[in-house]
Amino acid sequence: DIQLTQSPSSLSASVGDRVTITCRASQYISTFLNWYQQKPGKAPVLLIYDASTLQDGVPPRFSGSGSGTEFSLSISSLEPGDFATYYCQQSFNYPRSFGQGTKVDFK
Amino acid sequence: EVQLVQSGAEVKKAGDSLKISCKTSGYNFNNYWITWVRQLPGKGLDWVGNIYPGDSEAKYGPSMEGQVTLSVDKSVSTAYLHWSSLRASDTAMYYCARKLRCTGGSCTGLDWFDTWGPGTQVSVSS
Repeated sequence: DIQLTQSPSSLSASVGDRVTITCRASQYISTFLNWYQQKPGKAPVLLIYDASTLQDGVPPRFSGSGSGTEFSLSISSLEPGDFATYYCQQSFNYPRSFGQGTKVDFK
Repeated sequence: EVQLVQSGAEVKKAGDSLKISCKTSGYNFNNYWITWVRQLPGKGLDWVGNIYPGDSEAKYGPSMEGQVTLSVDKSVSTAYLHWSSLRASDTAMYYCARKLRCTGGSCTGLDWFDTWGPGTQVSVSS
């Protein structure tokens, strides 16, 4: 099974900061990596699929990069609505799997 | 508009059976996999499994394989997650989501969960 490890597990930031979250896969997964945002009490929301393709309606301050085993999600200028938990997820193999999550909160 | 509407919160006892639902609308139900994801209290997301309504092919994750059954009713565009005997450790929020797939080029096989239901809270007492 493929393990996804996110770093950091949590981070504190301010509005306007640039934030980068890393996701490392335990084996090669090409670009079969997706990112989701989850706010407390709400369902996850798809941000990025295929490592770098922005889902329709997602603001361009979000971006994704990477291939193989190393991936990243960046937010160029944090806005108040971006304080949430972010998960990566792989679709290279079954069983599908998620990273453990990265919580972004107010500094 | 694609929508997934899930059944309401459940409070059960260990050993009870339970079936929760995910009713879809706004697209051709038969042509898209439905995925189920579990979230234990205060924890991250855990892939339960997915099912293809067209032929009811299902795949299960290791955490719940053998403990749950996925099914669909195409006549009402609804997917189900069923337990025959609940455990206290099944207490969690359960989400359904539609799975989209890339079908051409270098991303063939890639899939992602584009639309999610609001979740069903399942609480099981021992």
